[in-house]
Amino acid sequence: AQSVTQLGSHVSVSEGALVLLRCNYSSSVPPYLFWYVQYPNQGLQLLLKYTTGATLVKGINGFEAEFKKSETSFHLTKPSAHMSDAAEYFCAVSDTGGFKTIFGAGTRLFVKA
Amino acid sequence: NAGVTQTPKFQVLKTGQSMTLQCAQDMNHNSMYWYRQDPGMGLRLIYYSASEGTTDKGEVPNGYNVSRLNKREFSLRLESAAPSQTSVYFCATAMYRDISTDTQYFGPGTRLTVL
Repeated sequence: AQSVTQLGSHVSVSEGALVLLRCNYSSSVPPYLFWYVQYPNQGLQLLLKYTTGATLVKGINGFEAEFKKSETSFHLTKPSAHMSDAAEYFCAVSDTGGFKTIFGAGTRLFVKA
Repeated sequence: NAGVTQTPKFQVLKTGQSMTLQCAQDMNHNSMYWYRQDPGMGLRLIYYSASEGTTDKGEVPNGYNVSRLNKREFSLRLESAAPSQTSVYFCATAMYRDISTDTQYFGPGTRLTVL
């Protein structure tokens, strides 16, 4: 069975600081991995996804994530946080050909001025 | 294009009442999904419809029924609401059958409270 663990339900950074949101997954087959962002009172939006190929994936708004098979991780980073990055972020995993995407519990990012 | 729309935005029910949540998409997508979001638990799949005319159970289907009315519309019904169904409900759509390589598009959500 697949699962996703997001380390830290809340992360707080200063504006301009590095953003690092951690995600570890469990999957018996090669995984497809996603990061979604949810702004207050809105639905989820896809930030980036890893399917196959290059392990460093670039997404929207300056975010990127690196798939590390040996560490079963897919951490999300951004070099410099903006106030507009304050939101909840969800890591998700799906198996090959599957309909069922498993979401992590989410990490709420706070950005301090 | 409206994308994915959900109605209503908010709803308060009493235990035992029934209601239907509506989802419609104008993206010509094949697959549609219903999730619930609870604090600290992320999103959990209730039901999904791979294509018009088909529906399947997800992770937490008990207490819910769905109808894929046509390609555009996918409704979620609570026959006898319970307080445990208090949640935020999201509808999502995707173009292709294989969502592992496709992007899901989410509606704005319905906030449901069951008293």
